[in-house]
Amino acid sequence: NAGVTQTPKFQVLKTGQSMTLQCAQDMNHNSMYWYRQDPGMGLRLIYYSASEGTTDKGEVPNGYNVSRLNKREFSLRLESAAPSQTSVYFCASSLRRFVRSFEGEAFFGQGTRLTVV
Amino acid sequence: SQQGEEDPQALSIQEGENATMNCSYKTSINNLQWYRQNSGRGLVHLILIRSNEREKHSGRLRVTLDTSKKSSSLLITASRAADTASYFCATDVGYNDKIIFGKGTRLHILP
Repeated sequence: NAGVTQTPKFQVLKTGQSMTLQCAQDMNHNSMYWYRQDPGMGLRLIYYSASEGTTDKGEVPNGYNVSRLNKREFSLRLESAAPSQTSVYFCASSLRRFVRSFEGEAFFGQGTRLTVV
Repeated sequence: SQQGEEDPQALSIQEGENATMNCSYKTSINNLQWYRQNSGRGLVHLILIRSNEREKHSGRLRVTLDTSKKSSSLLITASRAADTASYFCATDVGYNDKIIFGKGTRLHILP
C-alpha cells in the first residue's frame, strides 16, 4: 500500500518552461489537494478537488492549472514557470468527511522540490 | 492571509518537559487537525477534533478547541527528542473538504 505518490521528487526548470507534477493515491480517497511550502509561510493551498471531475481554487492558484484525471490521480501544471514558483510542492488526499469515520484527515506525499532558475 | 496562525513560531524545551502550541483561526470550521512534519519530509496527521468537541486525547497529545475564541492548543506531555519537528494546525472549512494550514511551530527538544 503506497499511499500518496508524487513524481518527480526533484526538478530544476528554466524560467518559462512548463512541467506537470504528478500525484496518485491508492487509498480510494475522494478529495485531493496540492500545497506549496515556502520558508516561514507554512503550507498554502493551491488547488483542491473534492471528487473526480471537480476542482476548486485554493489560496494561491495563480500560475497553476490542475487536472483530476480520475479518482486516483491529480496533476498540477505550471505552464510558464517563474522563479517565484520555486518551492516544495505537496500532494495530499483524504476521505470525504463522515465516510467511515475518518473525518477528513489528509495523507501526504513526500513532496517535490522544484527550483526555477 | 492564512486561516490558521500558530503561536509561538519556535519553541525550545528540555526533554521531559511539556510543550504547548496554540493555533488561532478566522472562520467557522468543521474540524481542526494537527500535523507533524519532520525536516524534509511530508506531513503526518496527529489528531483531529470536531467543531462540537472541546478536548481530545491521543497518547501523549492533548488538544483543546475553543470555538468562541477561534483557537486551539496542542499539548505534548513528557517530550522526547523524537518530538523535534514542525507542528501545523489545519482547519477544514466550508462544505467541500477544503483544508487550510497555518504557518507552523518549530519545536526543538533539548537533551
